[in-house]
Amino acid sequence: QSALTQPPSASGSPGQSVTISCTGSSSDVGGHNYVSWYQQHPGKAPKLMIYEVSKRPSGVPDRFSGSKSGNTASLTVSGLQAEDEADYYCSSYVGYNNLKVFGGGTKLTVL
Amino acid sequence: QLQLQESGPGLVKPSETLSLTCSISGGSISSGSYYWGWIRQPPGKGLEWIGSIYYSGTTYYNPSLRSRVAISVDTSKNHFSLELNSVTATDTAVYYCVRSYGDYAGVWFDPWGQGTLVTVSS
Repeated sequence: QSALTQPPSASGSPGQSVTISCTGSSSDVGGHNYVSWYQQHPGKAPKLMIYEVSKRPSGVPDRFSGSKSGNTASLTVSGLQAEDEADYYCSSYVGYNNLKVFGGGTKLTVL
Repeated sequence: QLQLQESGPGLVKPSETLSLTCSISGGSISSGSYYWGWIRQPPGKGLEWIGSIYYSGTTYYNPSLRSRVAISVDTSKNHFSLELNSVTATDTAVYYCVRSYGDYAGVWFDPWGQGTLVTVSS
């Protein structure tokens, strides 16, 4: 099963909005609402930011939002702050064997 | 607040077995609402789901690793473990233990342990 496709990098200035895409297929991203997003700062463990496409866990700022259209999911970070600079990974159930896959990750730079 | 902590050798020889344990604090592994799993990340690379286990012992593995992996649970010690046999240099990675939620043996992961680097080298 191939990993989901994410752009390697994204950037924005403080206060701006940036959107990171995660492209899969009709079997994974397009076939279920089981897309999640994780933030990882250097040397740290990933942190859940979005689950089931658009739900935010308690404690995650509402500047983070998720959506999906067809086979592509998206994470939008609004009102960029310096602490948002990190790697972001998407994940999806692939539709069989209880298998989950991740995207290759996107490095978000706050200019 | 639930916390997970990985432990085990940081260096494993090629062809040997990698063994890690994840200790749970602030919650019970026997809660029926979650699965418990392992995810790894080779240095500088992305994430790979290894597998998960329900407290009853039912396991779910990534097909690409199924022939070499075993996850077990010890409810009396409130921990679960990973064994990966016949390791090679490509198994060098940071290994994370996670709690996972949802259908299909857990489709999102929260929280994560801090991770432990396991290097495969002679």
